[in-house]
Amino acid sequence: DAGVIQSPRHEVTEMGQEVTLRCKPISGHDYLFWYRQTMMRGLELLIYFNNNVPIDDSGMPEDRFSAKMPNASFSTLKIQPSEPRDSAVYFCASSLGQGSHEQYFGPGTRLTVT
Amino acid sequence: DAKTTQPPSMDCAEGRAANLPCNHSTISGNEYVYWYRQIHSQGPQYIIHGLKNNETNEMASLIITEDRKSSTLILPHATLRDTAVYYCIVRVARKAAGNKLTFGGGTRVLVKP
Repeated sequence: DAGVIQSPRHEVTEMGQEVTLRCKPISGHDYLFWYRQTMMRGLELLIYFNNNVPIDDSGMPEDRFSAKMPNASFSTLKIQPSEPRDSAVYFCASSLGQGSHEQYFGPGTRLTVT
Repeated sequence: DAKTTQPPSMDCAEGRAANLPCNHSTISGNEYVYWYRQIHSQGPQYIIHGLKNNETNEMASLIITEDRKSSTLILPHATLRDTAVYYCIVRVARKAAGNKLTFGGGTRVLVKP
């Protein structure tokens, strides 16, 4: 298995532009997570899905952020409009089943908003 | 989920055992202890987990005290590639809690030649 796949790996955009980050979880995994990592705040959970349904989005910073999971093999995290403070590394992770002990993380997308 | 406390950083010598402590004094009976690590510029990686008993796998050993209020991750023969930030996480493994992880600051481990 190729593991969790994220694209793009790097994204540089200007303030005000729309940004879409993509994630393909490991096949068969039914949980998908989006995390954000910054120097100031560390690694924080934004939202997670179970069987394509959003379960907890309490970590989503504001309405500019939205996440979707249209099917079991694809998820997007969208920021519209983007701001410089959104600059961070965004990680997607997936896991198998409730009570599963291991999350598998993707390589991350480094977002820079100028 | 219970809060954890880890030293912010530690050094260890290549080839020697690295012992990483974690305090979780408010841990509940149904909460597991998990360890993840993050090598620079990579996503976090699962290492090991435990509930009550000591655990060992190909990467590390986990020693949990009898009262479960603290634990130690042991890397038996540290290599330069073990340089990373190590996170100790405590959480309940049940459906209602989902599978989400709450990361603290972790311990930055530097393995020196």
